[in-house]
Amino acid sequence: AQTVTQSQPEMSVQEAETVTLSCTYDTSESDYYLFWYKQPPSRQMILVIRQEAYKQQNATENRFSVNFQKAAKSFSLKISDSQLGDAAMYFCAYRRSSGTYKYIFGTGTRLKVLA
Amino acid sequence: DGGITQSPKYLFRKEGQNVTLSCEQNLNHDAMYWYRQDPGQGLRLIYYSQIVNDFQKGDIAEGYSVSREKKESFPLTVTSAQKNPTAFYLCASSQTGADTQYFGPGTRLTVL
Repeated sequence: AQTVTQSQPEMSVQEAETVTLSCTYDTSESDYYLFWYKQPPSRQMILVIRQEAYKQQNATENRFSVNFQKAAKSFSLKISDSQLGDAAMYFCAYRRSSGTYKYIFGTGTRLKVLA
Repeated sequence: DGGITQSPKYLFRKEGQNVTLSCEQNLNHDAMYWYRQDPGQGLRLIYYSQIVNDFQKGDIAEGYSVSREKKESFPLTVTSAQKNPTAFYLCASSQTGADTQYFGPGTRLTVL
């Protein structure tokens, strides 16, 4: 069975600094998708970034980028120039590319941004 | 605007009562999902449906039931058999063949 692990329950970063959130996963599939979702205090889940496993190039979205290491089954999120609005819970998620459309979520990392 | 709506935002239930949470989407998505989130924890899948009139149990289906009679609607019933129903419930949807899942704003259920 697929699993997603986020080993950092909580992280802190100074405003304007860079922080990296870790995520590892376990799967026997070769084709899949990986995601980072943000859940601010409003509790609305917001997609931050997605990665297709067959693409070697790391995804980027403005200040957000990932370091996707397929062989190591690692999918970390880097937030550059951190802003107060980045404070939230961040969830890593996995989904197979075919078959059942079931998503597997990690337990989340709470990010605090210090002014 | 296209999106997912959940109602009500807050719901209170007495012990022993069944209660139904609403989830509606106008994104024309085929797949819909229900998750439960407890304080400080991640999302746990309750039920999901990939097509109308069909649904599958997730990891924590006991004490819950769903129906999928229409593509845009996927209501979740929390039955009296659910031992600890107080939680935050999230509904989501995705397009078959597409990868990204979109979420509703959630319903906070409290059992009194």
